[in-house]
Amino acid sequence: GAGVSQSPRYKVAKRGQDVALRCDPISGHVSLFWYQQALGQGPEFLTYFQNEAQLDKSGLPSDRFFAERPEGSVSTLKIQRTQQEDSAVYLCASSLAGREPEAFFGQGTRLTVV
Amino acid sequence: AQKITQTQPGMFVQEKEAVTLDCTYDTSDQSYGLFWYKQPSSGEMIFLIYQGSYDEQNATEGRYSLNFQKARKSANLVISASQLGDSAMYFCAIPHGDDKIIFGKGTRLHILP
Repeated sequence: GAGVSQSPRYKVAKRGQDVALRCDPISGHVSLFWYQQALGQGPEFLTYFQNEAQLDKSGLPSDRFFAERPEGSVSTLKIQRTQQEDSAVYLCASSLAGREPEAFFGQGTRLTVV
Repeated sequence: AQKITQTQPGMFVQEKEAVTLDCTYDTSDQSYGLFWYKQPSSGEMIFLIYQGSYDEQNATEGRYSLNFQKARKSANLVISASQLGDSAMYFCAIPHGDDKIIFGKGTRLHILP
């Protein structure tokens, strides 16, 4: 596709359930980022990949959060044993390299934990 | 550490008027850049404009311009001739390290017909 695609757009999970959020970056984009955006807040950095290598995971809030990009294209953000505080929009972005200004964002996945 | 402050949670502006969205920043880097992003209700973050700290002239992209004042550590976004489609959240952001971007809390702009 022409842009960054995220699925699902909306996810409702029961507390304690595991979820997996998918990101399809723009073809050929080396860098991929995950951000978490709580209601009424700006996005907060979670993790960064350069190709298949996860170079920075300092923003992951707990060891329940895990991200992978095994073939350097599609990425999955997994949250185990979801908690209510995990409710947020999860944004994925990709860019040709690094944090160039034209980092393209997907529409996000809105996760609601009930 | 990098920090972005946006002091206007919401703004209402009449269509066709110019809008200034405030942004102040804090950084220990000698060389840095400032971004502005637009987030409509559909959710995606749309890159609007970027300026590097060593750029001598303020950046301009169509109706968007960046009023960059290094001494005051401010990087305000100016939207000229506002349109109804400009209604959205606007985020100021600054890079931190080699990979992450720090966003402000945003300003919700409402353009009134």
